[in-house]
Amino acid sequence: QKEVEQDPGPLSVPEGAIVSLNCTYSNSAFQYFMWYRQYSRKGPELLMYTYSSGNKEDGRFTAQVDKSSKYISLFIRDSQPSDSATYLCAMARDSASKIIFGSGTRLSIRP
Amino acid sequence: DTGVSQDPRHKITKRGQNVTFRCDPISEHNRLYWYRQTLGQGPEFLTYFQNEAQLEKSRLLSDRFSAERPKGSFSTLEIQRTEQGDSAMYLCASSLDPRTGADTQYFGPGTRLTVL
Repeated sequence: QKEVEQDPGPLSVPEGAIVSLNCTYSNSAFQYFMWYRQYSRKGPELLMYTYSSGNKEDGRFTAQVDKSSKYISLFIRDSQPSDSATYLCAMARDSASKIIFGSGTRLSIRP
Repeated sequence: DTGVSQDPRHKITKRGQNVTFRCDPISEHNRLYWYRQTLGQGPEFLTYFQNEAQLEKSRLLSDRFSAERPKGSFSTLEIQRTEQGDSAMYLCASSLDPRTGADTQYFGPGTRLTVL
């Protein structure tokens, strides 16, 4: 069993829809949770990070962490075609440690 | 800061050849990481430097792989006797700005290796 599980998709939604992306994990030592966005043939770009449980909002993006369920989510409101990319959930014991990534979810926003 | 840069961006080589990749981290960043990403998968950790010291190596890093960060600035990753299974995107990340304490890992564009 992988430490981090993520549905690979692909996920296709119409422009303006709310997108929900999710990951589960098995290692209770993870304290630092991240979401990266990766465009084709590019390096991952950090979108958001959170420590421990709770919510964090940044513009159209909201990250949620539920440590009791070992479940993290990313919500994208008012989705745009430019949001089309692969979204990678990621986590670590702390901000200095190696990052463990999910396999990524391919998202397509239809105009 | 100009971001993490990697060179070359693409490398095609024949099986059995040696290849070397270079990573230039964000200026002043103390930590430097190497990851490998295969098609349809997330990046997997290979190794990590704090300044010039290599502090952790993944079991994925076989004895054909070696990484250095000689002066605590740029880093090189060498693969000897390449195999087709080495074909992947090799990503470098850097973190920890001692001026601010910010320790988010920022990734470079990667080097795509194809072994024929």
